[in-house]
Order: sequence, then structure tokens, then C-alpha cells
Amino acid sequence: GAVVSQHPSWVICKSGTSVKIECRSLDFQATTMFWYRQFPKQSLMLMATSNEGSKATYEQGVEKDKFLINHASLTLSTLTVTSAHPEDSSFYICSARWSTPGRNTEAFFGQGTRLTVV
Amino acid sequence: QQQVKQSPQSLIVQKGGISIINCAYENTAFDYFPWYQQFPGKGPALLIAIRPDVSEKKEGRFTISFNKSAKQFSLHIMDSQPGDSATYFCAAFYGNNRLAFGKGNQVVVIP
Repeated sequence: GAVVSQHPSWVICKSGTSVKIECRSLDFQATTMFWYRQFPKQSLMLMATSNEGSKATYEQGVEKDKFLINHASLTLSTLTVTSAHPEDSSFYICSARWSTPGRNTEAFFGQGTRLTVV
Repeated sequence: QQQVKQSPQSLIVQKGGISIINCAYENTAFDYFPWYQQFPGKGPALLIAIRPDVSEKKEGRFTISFNKSAKQFSLHIMDSQPGDSATYFCAAFYGNNRLAFGKGNQVVVIP
């Protein structure tokens, strides 16, 4: 299957600072990437859809000014948590879709980033 | 609201036994149904997936059974091993490659 790499795997930052998380599709081009947030023992919650070369589409209730998404190339999307606060502490996961002719599109996920804001 | 309902919430299985997780959906626009396995602190990994025109798909010890008329599908893990202990999510694809996830099921396989 396709490989999606996410970095860093964990980060601790001080309240008020910003943190950037990178998501790369290593062996395929992804025009669309998705960013999720996951709380302990819960399912994945879609935050936004990242489109290469255009603005991201945010889900209802997600602050676009707090969670800045940039998809500057076909293999890289970044999520920046701006002015982070303890309530932003969570597990963030990116995903890219991979399509091959004649087969269904599959979703592949990064390893996730554990963000802790202190 | 796009939704996939998953049950049971947690499952404890003896090594060598069969783990069965069930999912149900309402939206007929769902057109592809993957299962993901997630270990603590890791992202979900694609396990197996099925199209709605197929009633069963088997890959190794993992089998999906799909009942289109009942809008239900299930994951069977045969000969469960301690290494299978993880959280399993069923999901469904709909419009523009979006995914609806179930709430997840924690499977614990005891030796």
C-alpha cells in the first residue's frame, strides 16, 4: 500500500506558541489530504480537507484561524496549530487518498502526532 | 449525518478464538467499506475492505461479511492472537472520497 509519513510523532509546546505538523505522501501524489483529530478512546474526527493549490475546507466547528492548513505541493500538507492552548492537546492524524485505475480509492494514514500543550 | 454504527464497544477473546465486530449503516450512498486497525499511539492502518456488490472477502485470518439488504457488515478475525489486540474501526466511503468512521471497538486477545 501507499505510505503516508507524518512528522513529528510527538511534540510538547508551551501555551501560546504555534506548532507545525507535516504530512507527506512518500510514494504517490495526493491532490487531497485530510486532517483528523482523535481524543482518547474515541473515533477520528475530520477537521479539514486539504486541497493542493487551494484553500482548505474546514468542518463545522473547526476554527480555520487556529488550525492553519497549507497544501503547497502534491506530496506535502501541513497543519499549524496557532497560539496553542492546553485544550488543543490531542492526537492529530493526516490521511491521503490513493487511487489506481479499476480499483476503489483507499485511504492511508500517517502515524499520528501527539500534541501536548503545557 | 453520515454515520456508521459499530458494536460491541469492546471485546475480550481467548487466543485462538474468533473475534467478531459488527457495523451497520443507513446511507445508501456509501460505496466502499474498509476496516482499519489502530494500535495505541499510532495512526489507523488499512486492514481489509469490501465493495457492496460482494458478500464476503477474505484475506488471511481476516474476513468481511457484507449484507447489503440489511445494511450491515462485519469483521471476523479467525484464530485471534495477542498481537491482534488493537482498536478496530469500520468505515464507509461517500462523496468525494470522504470517510465516515464507526466509534471503534477495542479487541483484547488473552493468551
